[in-house]
Amino acid sequence: KAGVTQTPRYLIKTRGQQVTLSCSPISGHRSVSWYQQTPGQGLQFLFEYFSETQRNKGNFPGRFSGRQFSNSRSEMNVSTLELGDSALYLCASSLSTGYATEAFFGQGTRLTVV
Amino acid sequence: AQRVTQPEKLLSVFKGAPVELKCNYSYSGSPELFWYVQYSRQRLQLLLRHISRESIKGFTADLNKGETSFHLKKPFAQEEDSAMYYCALSNSNTGKLIFGQGTTLQVKP
Repeated sequence: KAGVTQTPRYLIKTRGQQVTLSCSPISGHRSVSWYQQTPGQGLQFLFEYFSETQRNKGNFPGRFSGRQFSNSRSEMNVSTLELGDSALYLCASSLSTGYATEAFFGQGTRLTVV
Repeated sequence: AQRVTQPEKLLSVFKGAPVELKCNYSYSGSPELFWYVQYSRQRLQLLLRHISRESIKGFTADLNKGETSFHLKKPFAQEEDSAMYYCALSNSNTGKLIFGQGTTLQVKP
């Protein structure tokens, strides 16, 4: 079966712009989480959606937002981009949110802010 | 605060040598612990999880609640084990994972 798909793979944006990243989870998976990966901070949790509802949010400013659609696809939006937002953004999907559920990761979207 | 600490950024061993990647956590409760691995040019994937008590690719990890540790071990390292390893914990019934900073394992021939 197809894995988690993230589009686009690469993005270059200018400071002050906004960007939308997309994630298509594995078919049947209802939980989608987003992570930011940087060399300095490592992998940091952004937020998690389950059945179109945000269930968890990490410690990121309100410029970072997301949503999930009825087909479980998710989008993440970053407004007023800053240079520090340059990172690899990973999406992960899970079959459920049961204890110790395995997360399946996409290949990520590499965002560069110039 | 919930935290995962991997003290080594890089661990370099020779093929056939034992490997231990350290992971310590702080969490008030009963976390579930995982090891995820990222091979070169591949996506992050689950290696093993505490609840399964399984051995994957020769790796094992034992949860030590007294020392709040979940170290990853393999008795004989192989070159194909070279990768980035992340220890992670999750809480309750959500999909949120808290990751350590990761350890790069380099297995030399």
